[in-house]
Amino acid sequence: GESVGLHLPTLSVQEGDNSIINCAYSNSASDYFIWYKQESGKGPQFIIDIRSNMDKRQGQRVTVLLNKTVKHLSLQIAATQPGDSAVYFCAEAPLSFGAGTTVTVRA
Amino acid sequence: KAGVTQTPRYLIKTRGQQVTLSCSPISGHRSVSWYQQTPGQGLQFLFEYFSETQRNKGNFPGRFSGRQFSNSRSEMNVSTLELGDSALYLCASSIGLTVSGNTIYFGEGSWLTVV
Repeated sequence: GESVGLHLPTLSVQEGDNSIINCAYSNSASDYFIWYKQESGKGPQFIIDIRSNMDKRQGQRVTVLLNKTVKHLSLQIAATQPGDSAVYFCAEAPLSFGAGTTVTVRA
Repeated sequence: KAGVTQTPRYLIKTRGQQVTLSCSPISGHRSVSWYQQTPGQGLQFLFEYFSETQRNKGNFPGRFSGRQFSNSRSEMNVSTLELGDSALYLCASSIGLTVSGNTIYFGEGSWLTVV
């Protein structure tokens, strides 16, 4: 079946550096992707989304890039802060989620 | 406006019992979907309801069921609980069906422990 996956289960980042979290998807027909952040003990929180007619979308300190040619999605977090420590999921609408990348920010 | 609300937040049940979890979607949202999250399996889709009808269903046994009310509130039920049902159960709501590309917003989840 179709699946969405993240390249790395963990990512350690120095505070202030930029973070890049990657995700590969397999359904070439997918046209909507979402990134979620889940902090310990909480539900997933919507961060940013992107539709297949776009290559890039920017939010506050976050940028999502979509490469449909290689079916790859990435989330870039600028100037990573301790509060960014969480598990990050990519989701392929509808309803397929990656396993998550745990981001740890080092002080 | 208020987010997705799930109750109860924490509960402990004994193997063989049944449990009902409740979800109130964001005001105006008509779709409610349910997910099971475990450390080993990640987020897995259970089912989605829209206008009181189940529209999509994941690959879970019939012990897992749900329903949606006319006010869009939803409940899910797990009967004959097994130890492996211990998980975080997440409810999410969206304006319309998720298959239509509507963003889903999650609640904080209900932590179920089966002993």
